[in-house]
Amino acid sequence: ETGVTQTPRHLVMGMTNKKSLKCEQHLGHNAMYWYKQSAKKPLELMFVYNFKEQTENNSVPSRFSPECPNSSHLFLHLHTLQPEDSALYLCASSQENREGAEQYFGPGTRLTVT
Amino acid sequence: GNSVTQMEGPVTLSEEAFLTINCTYTATGYPSLFWYVQYPGEGLQLLLKATKADDKGSNKGFEATYRKETTSFHLEKGSVQVSDSAVYFCALTEFSNFNKFYFGSGTKLNVKP
Repeated sequence: ETGVTQTPRHLVMGMTNKKSLKCEQHLGHNAMYWYKQSAKKPLELMFVYNFKEQTENNSVPSRFSPECPNSSHLFLHLHTLQPEDSALYLCASSQENREGAEQYFGPGTRLTVT
Repeated sequence: GNSVTQMEGPVTLSEEAFLTINCTYTATGYPSLFWYVQYPGEGLQLLLKATKADDKGSNKGFEATYRKETTSFHLEKGSVQVSDSAVYFCALTEFSNFNKFYFGSGTKLNVKP
């Protein structure tokens, strides 16, 4: 138990569906992250929220839309996804203003797009 | 720029064998270094870390020493167990770069009884 929870753990959706992934951290951190982990590819940083402001977006397609209503919650809204979006989506949190701060990861949501 | 390179896997060992997973890095400043472990079906868990040169991080029998002169942070364990089978990720972050994390590609370890 890392103090970061994600729901759902598994999600199967069609290409025309709309769904959302949820992440919650119970660690009092001030930064949250979305990563994509695909088979045989490096971990890919998608979004960063620092003090509730999005500070990074690595050219992620617009079919992925993040939302961070407060420092404890992070959502990833999904719509009209493609089969290549099937992956493990990991949420993480950290204390951004502390040197050497580690990131704490949730268990991930395994997404399958059919 | 910043990057992390770690040895490709899979690494297959017998139980009680000695483990080394190599990790080297490039960084523009003074990074902190980490090893994370990912068990099947789970997220990444912090295994150990070191924040300055010559520091040794250790946890659960695993060790890694921050070597600035060789820009390395190799992971070692004296006697692996079947339960150590997982994917291991080396990573770095720099406080001056908003603590952005750079991960290696991961090394899968298989330990056979």
